[in-house]
Amino acid sequence: SYELTQPPSVSVSPGQTASITCSGDELGHKYIYWYHQKPGQSPVLVIYQDNKRPPGIPERFSGSNAGNTATLTISGTQALDDADYYCQAWHSSTVVFGGGTKLTVL
Amino acid sequence: EVQLVESGGDLVQPGGSLRLSCAASGFTFRSYWMNWVRQAPGKGLEWVANIKQDGSEKYYVDSVKGRFTISRDNAKKSLYLEMKSLRVDDTAVYFCARDGQQLGGGAFDVWGPGTMVTVSS
Repeated sequence: SYELTQPPSVSVSPGQTASITCSGDELGHKYIYWYHQKPGQSPVLVIYQDNKRPPGIPERFSGSNAGNTATLTISGTQALDDADYYCQAWHSSTVVFGGGTKLTVL
Repeated sequence: EVQLVESGGDLVQPGGSLRLSCAASGFTFRSYWMNWVRQAPGKGLEWVANIKQDGSEKYYVDSVKGRFTISRDNAKKSLYLEMKSLRVDDTAVYFCARDGQQLGGGAFDVWGPGTMVTVSS
């Protein structure tokens, strides 16, 4: 089975840049998707097809994907970005999520 | 307003059965692949199953194959998940999610609030 690996936690100061990685075998050959989720809420799509933002997602969210690693970058991080972040990819017609990264803005 | 609302979650004993529903509104339901995703308490997201627009293709995560069945009724704009032989580790919030074809497909762009399934004796 295919696995996506994320760091359990990342910390960042307000206004700084946060980077969250997602690793998988030849991940660069797949599209990667990113979601954030706050406690008690449903996930929200923030990046699709590696680096595209859905309508309504701020420009401070960006993404990249090459080799075995995809990265979600949040520039000028704000307190409201404090959340869990999940990467997602498709493998053989099924969906795989990473284990999630808790982003702490402090 | 584009909306998904799940229902049917409950407390059930191990080995029992349950049927979840997801009601869609605000978009052309029959035009989209649909998915079920679950999240155990305090854990991450796990994709469960998906179904093609006309129901002709269905895919499942290995852990539920043979026990869960995804289906849909396009006339009723509803998605279903029939769950049998439930186990304690099926305990989770179950979300239905739309595959956003307008984003090129593959991204879950609309999610419901979820419904809680608890498997316990």
